Order: sequence, then C-alpha cells, then structure tokens
Amino acid sequence: SAVISQKPSRDICQRGTSLTIQCQVDSQVTMMFWYRQQPGQSLTLIATANQGSEATYESGFVIDKFPISRPNLTFSTLTVSNMSPEDSSIYLCSVRRDHTDTQYFGPGTRLTVL
Amino acid sequence: QKEVEQNSGPLSVPEGAIASLNCTYSDRGSQSFFWYRQYSGKSPELIMSIYSNGDKEDGRFTAQLNKASQYVSLLIRDSQPSDSATYLCAALSGGYQKVTFGTGTKLQVIP
Repeated sequence: SAVISQKPSRDICQRGTSLTIQCQVDSQVTMMFWYRQQPGQSLTLIATANQGSEATYESGFVIDKFPISRPNLTFSTLTVSNMSPEDSSIYLCSVRRDHTDTQYFGPGTRLTVL
Repeated sequence: QKEVEQNSGPLSVPEGAIASLNCTYSDRGSQSFFWYRQYSGKSPELIMSIYSNGDKEDGRFTAQLNKASQYVSLLIRDSQPSDSATYLCAALSGGYQKVTFGTGTKLQVIP
C-alpha cells in the first residue's frame, strides 16, 4: 500500500479565490494523479502529475484552472483557481507504486465554494 | 470512449447473505481490474485486484473476471453491516496506463 497525506482536509472558500492542495507520499513514486469526485458521482481524472515536466491534463481540464506542481517524487500540489460553486467537490491525490499497477488514494480534500 | 459500467443500486442484502456486485468494461485492451470500497465521506480503499480469467479469493471477498464477456464481479460472503458502502469497479487500460472507474454500486447490508 501507500501512505498518502493531503492538506487541507477540507476548506470553505469564496468565489473567485484560489486554493492549493498538497499531497505527500511516504516514498518515491513515479505515477501520481489528481482526481475530482463531485457529490454522488464517481472519480474523474483531472491530470497526471509528472515530475520534472508539465502535468498531463484530461479532456475538460486546463492548466490555467488547475495548475499542478510536482517538484519531486514524493510531493505534488493542485491549485483550484478562480473558484466557482461548481468547483465544490472532493479532490483526491492518488499514486501508483512503481512496477505495480495498483493505485492508492489519499484521504481527500473536501472543498466547498460559496 | 472507454467505459466501466456498474448498476448504481442500492443493492440491499440481509446480514449473512452473499452480495454480488457486477461490472462491465468496454476496452478489450484492459489487463488489470480492481474493486475499491468507499465509505461515505471517505476516500476509495483498494480491496481486490484481478488480472486473469477466473476467480480470486481473499477472505470473504471473491473477484471474478471473464475477459471474453468483458465482465468483472465481486462476491461478498457472509455480508456484514460494516460492508455497507459504495463499491467502485475499475479497469487499467494497457495502452494509456490510465485507470477508468465505474460510477459505483451502493451496497446496503440490512441487520
């Protein structure tokens, strides 16, 4: 498995502001992902966070809205920019251990935008 | 578009019964399949992975895979109220190395 922590665990933000979510893993991993889970919905992949290069975004997600940093193999941040109520969701960091194909999830960040 | 389909439920079973959760996938190139359990307000927790046709057992859980039918299932024996959760089926595509998740089946185990 993997020990993954996320900060903050939850936040309530005002429309138009930005929030940066941090993800820390207990050991180095190549593959790190950011997901969004809207209320009552399944998981939607936002992007793959690549160490040393720009993140790879999925259709419907853009870097200006969800900038991602990956300064090393144990840490990543996701910023939700210029927030609107539609961004209210749970944001989840996920990792895949090297040489395996199983993914593990962090505890999530519950974001509410007013 | 590669999809993983699940019945959203809720699936209600009495305590002690067998719960059967089903999933189909569209990408024939998928090689690895997973079941996650997600309690309300919590993040998904991996409970089973399966790679080959047939059954894989782990305690009260049995995963079944039929690649010809593109079908994955999860059986939970002796269901307990603590098994009440949403179960997510997922498939890893070989080409894109991305995991696609189903919408989940909500299981309710009635005491």
